[in-house]
Amino acid sequence: ETGVTQSPTHLIKTRGQQVTLRCSSQSGHNTVSWYQQALGQGPQFIFQYYREEENGRGNFPPRFSGLQFPNYSSELNVNALELDDSALYLCASSLGGAGANVLTFGAGSRLTVL
Amino acid sequence: RKEVEQDPGPFNVPEGATVAFNCTYSNSASQSFFWYRQDCRKEPKLLMSVYSSGNEDGRFTAQLNRASQYISLLIRDSKLSDSATYLCVVTASGGYQKVTFGTGTKLQVIP
Repeated sequence: ETGVTQSPTHLIKTRGQQVTLRCSSQSGHNTVSWYQQALGQGPQFIFQYYREEENGRGNFPPRFSGLQFPNYSSELNVNALELDDSALYLCASSLGGAGANVLTFGAGSRLTVL
Repeated sequence: RKEVEQDPGPFNVPEGATVAFNCTYSNSASQSFFWYRQDCRKEPKLLMSVYSSGNEDGRFTAQLNRASQYISLLIRDSKLSDSATYLCVVTASGGYQKVTFGTGTKLQVIP
């Protein structure tokens, strides 16, 4: 069984730039959700994708967007990066909605915005 | 008021001690509850689900009090390897099921 993999593991960007983070879901999982975890905080829900459509979103501005592909992998795109976007970005996959089902997390992509 | 609140700690306890963490949630319509464990600079991993009747997994016991809107985690006979941050997770329906994490409680077990 293949777990959740994320890339890149670390990256550094400057303010105003754009970034794309990638996630491959665990085998058999059809739902992907993304979280932002700032230092010393719990993960904050960004959005969830099911069957290639966004079906839930947290309190994040539209410059945070995503995609899910037919193989259930996903991308998180962030435009016009701000210093406060510096965080660990976690992808989690699940079978069905993330609510009642166990989330399997990837190791995360650590983004630093300078 | 935060949707899910936890005491951030840190809780510094000696090996063999019993330690308990509480978590309160504000949405009375919350449906599912979990404890996740997160090691330093690692991803969260499921520790256990929390059921209405309470449940136990080895040295770990989780309880839910819907009337008071809190969940708890009890760790008996603490091991050094239990040192981690423990995240309370609450979900509520809303078209999709909204997942909310607490800020986490840091546990340090001391030799």
